Amino acid sequence: KQEVTQIPAALSVPEGENLVLNCSFTDSAIYNLQWFRQDPGKGLTSLLLIQSSQREQTSGRLNASLDKSSGRSTLYIAASQPGDSATYLCAVENYGQNFVFGPGTRLSVLP
Amino acid sequence: SAVISQKPSRDICQRGTSLTIQCQVDSQVTMMFWYRQQPGQSLTLIATANQGSEATYESGFVIDKFPISRPNLTFSTLTVSNMSPEDSSIYLCSVVGLAGEGYNEQFFGPGTRLTVL
Repeated sequence: KQEVTQIPAALSVPEGENLVLNCSFTDSAIYNLQWFRQDPGKGLTSLLLIQSSQREQTSGRLNASLDKSSGRSTLYIAASQPGDSATYLCAVENYGQNFVFGPGTRLSVLP
Repeated sequence: SAVISQKPSRDICQRGTSLTIQCQVDSQVTMMFWYRQQPGQSLTLIATANQGSEATYESGFVIDKFPISRPNLTFSTLTVSNMSPEDSSIYLCSVVGLAGEGYNEQFFGPGTRLTVL
């Protein structure tokens, strides 16, 4: 059974810092991995999707990497801003389109 | 990307009643899902809504409690039946649409915040 964990559970940084969020999964036979952002009381916004054949994806200040063999993904946020404050979730899609979510990392960027 | 709407956005219900949540997508999608997010928790998949047939439920979720309909490729409903306070959660629908090159990106609706008294 696929299990997804995220470290750290919470993170507080001053504005302008670069930071890394970590996601680990137990079964490397995944179809893709997706990073989401969730603002308090809101739905999810897709940030980046990495196919199983890819190593990384970039969008603006965000860069996500994927190492399937070790069961890890990282989300790198450059030059963090207070508007980046949210919960970040990673989700893996197993073959058969079964999606499993991690518990999330709650990020606070202080002005 | 797909645009997904949910109704209602929030509701407060009495114990023992039922609530039907609607999910509408602005384009045809192959897969639709329903998730639950309990307070302070991550998302848990309830079921896959299948067009024209019975939904596929995950372990711990049953049709009598969470009946699901999907009459076409753009619309689905989730009913939370005989509610108890433990059903207080955010309920989200999501879709997987073709994103080119054979991979599927998942998009979520804004969620329905349910409080059961």
